[in-house]
Parts: sequence; structure tokens; C-alpha cells
Amino acid sequence: AQTVTQSQPEMSVQEAETVTLSCTYDTSESDYYLFWYKQPPSRQMILVIRQEAYKQQNATENRFSVNFQKAAKSFSLKISDSQLGDAAMYFCAYNSGGSNYKLTFGKGTLLTVNP
Amino acid sequence: ETGVTQSPTHLIKTRGQQVTLRCSSQSGHNTVSWYQQALGQGPQFIFQYYREEENGRGNFPPRFSGLQFPNYSSELNVNALELDDSALYLCASSLTGEGEKLFFGSGTQLSVL
Repeated sequence: AQTVTQSQPEMSVQEAETVTLSCTYDTSESDYYLFWYKQPPSRQMILVIRQEAYKQQNATENRFSVNFQKAAKSFSLKISDSQLGDAAMYFCAYNSGGSNYKLTFGKGTLLTVNP
Repeated sequence: ETGVTQSPTHLIKTRGQQVTLRCSSQSGHNTVSWYQQALGQGPQFIFQYYREEENGRGNFPPRFSGLQFPNYSSELNVNALELDDSALYLCASSLTGEGEKLFFGSGTQLSVL
């Protein structure tokens, strides 16, 4: 079974600084998807960034980028120029793709942004 | 284009009761999945529905059941509620073939006393 591990229960960053959230996963499959979701106090899961495993190039979305290391099964999220609105729970998630819509989530990292 | 909406937002039940949670999918989405998020945990997959049939299930007992309607709205039913069923229940919708593009609602917070 696939597992997703987030080893940092909490992280903090100063506004305008850069922070990296860690995620490792375990799978025997070669094609899959990895995600970072943000969950603010409103509780809605918001997709931050997505990576297809067959793509070697790391995904980027504005201030958000990932460091995808397939061999090491590592998928970290870098937030640049942190803003107060980035404060939230961040979840790393895995999906095997195809007709399987199941997401396997990590336990989350609570990010605090200090002014 | 409307997003995924869930109702009610909060619910309090007592042990042994039954509960129904509702979800309206994002416009045009024909697949819906449900997740349970216990306090301090990541969401856990309950099941998913496509064309009104369950086509994937996580490690949840049969007292967790669902329905998907022709308009792609959905219900999650939980019978014989237990204290451990207290959690945030999230609904997510997607298009067939795009299972990696899930859109989530804001959830229903269920408290079982």
C-alpha cells in the first residue's frame, strides 16, 4: 500500500522569506501523481501544485515549486517570498492515476507565517 | 461555474444514530469521492462513485454507504454512529479520466456525542 510521510508537524517562516516543507512516499508503481494541498481555516482543500512522476522537470506555480526526487521518493514544496495568506495546513498527497481517484494523504504540516 | 458545495456545515449527533451528508459536485463533474479527516490527521479515502455506482472503497465498514444521483450530487450515509466517527467529512468531484484533478468542498464537521 502506498504511504505518505510528512516529518514536520509544524514549520514557521518570516514574511518574505523562503520555506521548504518535506514529504516522502512509498510506492512500487512507476507512474503516479503527487500533490501539495493547502487547507486554511475555511477547511477547503486547495490544490497548490501537482507533479506527474513521468516528468523529470520540477513543477512550479508562481511562488510555489517542488523538488521531486523520484529515486529517493521525495517530494518537497518550496514557498518563496512567503505571505501571511500562506499560513495554513499543507498536505502532501499521492494518486496512482488512471481510473483510481483515491488520494493518499500525509498527516500535514502546519505552516505559520510571522510578520 | 459553481464549485463543490456540502451541507450541512456542522452537525451534532449521538452515538447509535444515523446521519446523511450531502454534496453537490462542480458543474460537469461526473465522479465524486468522500474523505474522512479526523482531528490532526490527513483525509482518508472512504469511497468514490461514478455513474451512480460505487467503484472504489477505502478501509471503512459497511455502515458507511453512499449514493450518487443522476445530476451527480451525492450523499454519504453513516449508520450506528460511533464516537470515533467524529470528523470533518470532505467531498471531492472530478471528471472521468481526470482523477488527478480533484476539487474539494469545505466539508461537514460531524460531532458524535
